[in-house]
Amino acid sequence: AQSVTQLDSHVSVSEGTPVLLRCNYSSSYSPSLFWYVQHPNKGLQLLLKYTSAATLVKGINGFEAEFKKSETSFHLTKPSAHMSDAAEYFCVVRTLGNQGGKLIFGQGTELSVKP
Amino acid sequence: NAGVTQTPKFQVLKTGQSMTLQCAQDMNHEYMSWYRQDPGMGLRLIHYSVGAGITDQGEVPNGYNVSRSTTEDFPLRLLSAAPSQTSVYFCASTLGQGLGYNEQFFGPGTRLTVL
Repeated sequence: AQSVTQLDSHVSVSEGTPVLLRCNYSSSYSPSLFWYVQHPNKGLQLLLKYTSAATLVKGINGFEAEFKKSETSFHLTKPSAHMSDAAEYFCVVRTLGNQGGKLIFGQGTELSVKP
Repeated sequence: NAGVTQTPKFQVLKTGQSMTLQCAQDMNHEYMSWYRQDPGMGLRLIHYSVGAGITDQGEVPNGYNVSRSTTEDFPLRLLSAAPSQTSVYFCASTLGQGLGYNEQFFGPGTRLTVL
């Protein structure tokens, strides 16, 4: 069975410092992985997705994630945090199935950015 | 395109009442799904559909019904509301019948409180 674990429920950084949001996955086959962001009282927006074409995936707003099969990880990073990055972030794995598959969401990591 | 729309935005129900959460998309997406979001639990899949006339259960289907008579609409019905169904509900749609690497587009959500 596929699953995803976000290792931190809350991360706090100062503006201008690096961001690291950690995600480990479990999958019996090569996974499809995504990061979504949810700003307060808003819907979810896709940040980036791993499609097996490259292990380092670049997304919107300066975020990127590296797929490491040996560590079963897909951590999200950004070199320099901005106040507007404060939001909740979800690591997501796609399952395969007879009916097109499903998305399994991690528990979420809330990112706070201090001035 | 309006994307994915959900109505109502907010709803308060009494235990035992029934209601329907509406979801519509104008992108001609085959795949649609309903999630509920609860604190610390990420998003959990309730029901999904790979096309008109085809629905299947997700992770937490009990207490909810769905139907898909058209490509555009995917309503979620609460048959007899319970306090445990207090949550934020998101509808999403994806191009194609399978998730593949395609992005899921999320609606703005419906905040439901059951007293």
